[in-house]
Amino acid sequence: DAMVIQNPRYQVTQFGKPVTLSCSQTLNHNVMYWYQQKSSQAPKLLFHYYDKDFNNEADTPDNFQSRRPNTSFCFLDIRSPGLGDAAMYLCATSRDPDRVNEQFFGPGTRLTVL
Amino acid sequence: AQSVTQLDSQVPVFEEAPVELRCNYSSSVSVYLFWYVQYPNQGLQLLLKYLSGSTLVKGINGFEAEFNKSQTSFHLRKPSVHISDTAEYFCAVSAPETGANNLFFGTGTRLTVIP
Repeated sequence: DAMVIQNPRYQVTQFGKPVTLSCSQTLNHNVMYWYQQKSSQAPKLLFHYYDKDFNNEADTPDNFQSRRPNTSFCFLDIRSPGLGDAAMYLCATSRDPDRVNEQFFGPGTRLTVL
Repeated sequence: AQSVTQLDSQVPVFEEAPVELRCNYSSSVSVYLFWYVQYPNQGLQLLLKYLSGSTLVKGINGFEAEFNKSQTSFHLRKPSVHISDTAEYFCAVSAPETGANNLFFGTGTRLTVIP
């Protein structure tokens, strides 16, 4: 089945230690998104890629970076995680950013910062 | 700018009873509306969406929602809930006229179905 895969499902890191979260998709969608969802809050868009074009949300901290080496993969890098970065990180894809399409979500990676 | 308000953070309901989860939005342009469900420790799954046309939208798992432009609402309903419907439900809005395909989510409603 075509899907969005996130690895790992659970990630523990130490305060200030860089961490990378991974997302892959078999849908061949052009757009990939990263959302941050803190406990009992709505998912918040961090950034998205349309093909290789990177689009950062205005209020996304510089501590968060992303890479998309090819259509299938997208990575979220947190350079120096703080306690406030503990959250569920959701990856999503959609076919085309110019039309409203369903966004397909992965299962998420729950990040714990010690 | 678009925003979504989900008035109820938690809704307990007995099994086989009907349920309505409320969603109101604000936007100065035409919008598209969505309901997503999130089961524990999982990602979001689309329940249904309103893009245009009939204001009554039917989705998966027996859910439906009605778009009411005058009341700026998009409430989610199910006539008879099951234990497996226990989950977090998010209403979301997108305003493609703004040039972006971003989804703005509400804060969610936790539906708990009581046996």
